[in-house]
Amino acid sequence: QVQLQESGPGLVKPSGTLSLTCAVSGGSISSSNWWSWVRQPPGKGLEWIGEIYHSGSTNYNPSLKSRVTISVDKSKNQFSLKLSSVTAADTAVYYCARDLYYMDVWGKGTTVTVSS
Amino acid sequence: EIVLTQSPATLSLSPGERATLSCRASQSVSSYLAWYQQKPGQAPRLLIYDASNRATGIPARFSGSGSGTDFTLTISSLEPEDFAVYYCQQRSNLDTFGQGTKLEIK
Repeated sequence: QVQLQESGPGLVKPSGTLSLTCAVSGGSISSSNWWSWVRQPPGKGLEWIGEIYHSGSTNYNPSLKSRVTISVDKSKNQFSLKLSSVTAADTAVYYCARDLYYMDVWGKGTTVTVSS
Repeated sequence: EIVLTQSPATLSLSPGERATLSCRASQSVSSYLAWYQQKPGQAPRLLIYDASNRATGIPARFSGSGSGTDFTLTISSLEPEDFAVYYCQQRSNLDTFGQGTKLEIK
């Protein structure tokens, strides 16, 4: 079955760019579904960041759209998140998920702290 | 943007009791609504999709209902492992999540 694994730096400096990758195993990233990023600040709820289809089509949360880029690398069976101009408010656990209009497979999540 | 409002924020019940959680959308989402359970330190787990369909492996005590703007997640008889935070999510227009309902032991 499909499994997802997030990876990337756990610490990012303010005003820098957060970069994470989600590796897809047990299935193809070119399957007929979207792939999403979701985050959860400490002690708070879930926030959808955006999604990508294997064709490269993307949708973003309007509140983050100006700072977010999601891309796909079919050769590596993975997709990636870049969030620019980060502040302490971007400190969160970041999850990747398979999005079939509902998210049925999730990665374990990776904690990213924004601090100098 | 479609806003999902969950109520109550916290629900205190005992094992064996029935739990009813609500999710209201700011505009119709048809049946494009899902429910998730999240325990501390874990990723969310899909419980219900398309408003009323149980995900694979989800016990029958979990059920979902509703369409349009009003949705309900019902847990018929609470087990100790059901105490967690529950989120609703819509996909009628991009994705948004509700703010969550914490189900705690009374």
